[in-house]
Amino acid sequence: SAVISQKPSRDICQRGTSLTIQCQVDSQVTMMFWYRQQPGQSLTLIATANQGSEATYESGFVIDKFPISRPNLTFSTLTVSNMSPEDSSIYLCSVEQGVYGYTFGSGTRLTVV
Amino acid sequence: GQQVMQIPQYQHVQEGEDFTTYCNSSTTLSNIQWYKQRPGGHPVFLIQLVKSGEVKKQKRLTFQFGEAKKNSSLHITATQTTDVGTYFCAGPYRHNNDMRFGAGTRLTVKP
Repeated sequence: SAVISQKPSRDICQRGTSLTIQCQVDSQVTMMFWYRQQPGQSLTLIATANQGSEATYESGFVIDKFPISRPNLTFSTLTVSNMSPEDSSIYLCSVEQGVYGYTFGSGTRLTVV
Repeated sequence: GQQVMQIPQYQHVQEGEDFTTYCNSSTTLSNIQWYKQRPGGHPVFLIQLVKSGEVKKQKRLTFQFGEAKKNSSLHITATQTTDVGTYFCAGPYRHNNDMRFGAGTRLTVKP
């Protein structure tokens, strides 16, 4: 299965600033997914990123707040913009691997102070 | 689309006891997936079930898909401390490439 390198693994940020999270996959994939997981909660899909097109955002998430780039088939970034303490969460990228399910990056633990 | 409902939310067991988590949908699922997330870790894929009434085993873990393909279960026999974590089911939402996760069942095992 694919291996995903996600960074940073954690960060503490000041409110009002932005953080860009990167995910690098060791193989080419069509779709990449970005999730948010709040402490003790399930995974909530933020958006789906296809190479060469704009990301598709789920209800409650907007491009101005969570801009996504997908410059090629192995890389994607998610930016958390104008952060507030409510954005403190774990952010995960993933790729779909057919019968092998979803493979996830190791996650970015974000704390906004 | 219909998201999957998962129960229980928490389960505390004594080491050696069995554990089961259940996943239900109001609509027929084309497939269902199960994941394990260790504390501080990320979700790791365990298995996918596709066929009606399917039963698959991985050592002490038994996965079942209901005859109507609307429910699924994960059963762990004789839990060990290494089984600690949160178990998630995931089912298709808008299409098969759009899997949505249940709420998860957090398993703690007392030695």
